[in-house]
Amino acid sequence: AQSVTQLGSHVSVSEGALVLLRCNYSSSVPPYLFWYVQYPNQGLQLLLKYTSAATLVKGINGFEAEFKKSETSFHLTKPSAHMSDAAEYFCAVSFTGANSKLTFGKGITLSVRP
Amino acid sequence: DSGVTQTPKHLITATGQRVTLRCSPRSGDLSVYWYQQSLDQGLQFLIQYYNGEERAKGNILERFSAQQFPDLHSELNLSSLELGDSALYFCASSVGSGGTGGWSYGYTFGSGTRLTVV
Repeated sequence: AQSVTQLGSHVSVSEGALVLLRCNYSSSVPPYLFWYVQYPNQGLQLLLKYTSAATLVKGINGFEAEFKKSETSFHLTKPSAHMSDAAEYFCAVSFTGANSKLTFGKGITLSVRP
Repeated sequence: DSGVTQTPKHLITATGQRVTLRCSPRSGDLSVYWYQQSLDQGLQFLIQYYNGEERAKGNILERFSAQQFPDLHSELNLSSLELGDSALYFCASSVGSGGTGGWSYGYTFGSGTRLTVV
């Protein structure tokens, strides 16, 4: 069965610092990986996705993620954090086939200190 | 505005009652997915419909049911409500489903319905 693991539940960084949110996946078939962001009292917004094209994926708001098959990872990074990045971030996995549902990790809350 | 419309935004009801949550998918999307988000369980997949047919089922209780209508809107029915059913219920839509490849564009989520059972 496919799953994702997001290490830690809370990450705090200073404004301008590197953001690194970790995600490891488990899948018996080639995975398709997604990062979503949820701002308070809002729905989930797609940040970026990996669907077997380039392993380095660029998303919105300056975020990017790199698919590393050898490490079964898809970590999310941003070179310089902004106050507006404070939100909850979810990694999700899916695969092609009759059942296309996304399986989400538990989420990581990102706090940005002034 | 994501294009996925969920109503109502907030719902407060008593234990034992029944409620209906509504979702209108983004224009052109044929798949609708329902998710439950709670503090202890995180985001849990409930059920998926594709063009009116049930396509996949997740951790959906027997007290819960859903359907997708010919105009592609979907309703999630929750009955015999318990305190533990209090959660955010999200609807998401996508272009296709599974083998059609539309899923690869990701899902578009609505802003959710916050259900409080008292």
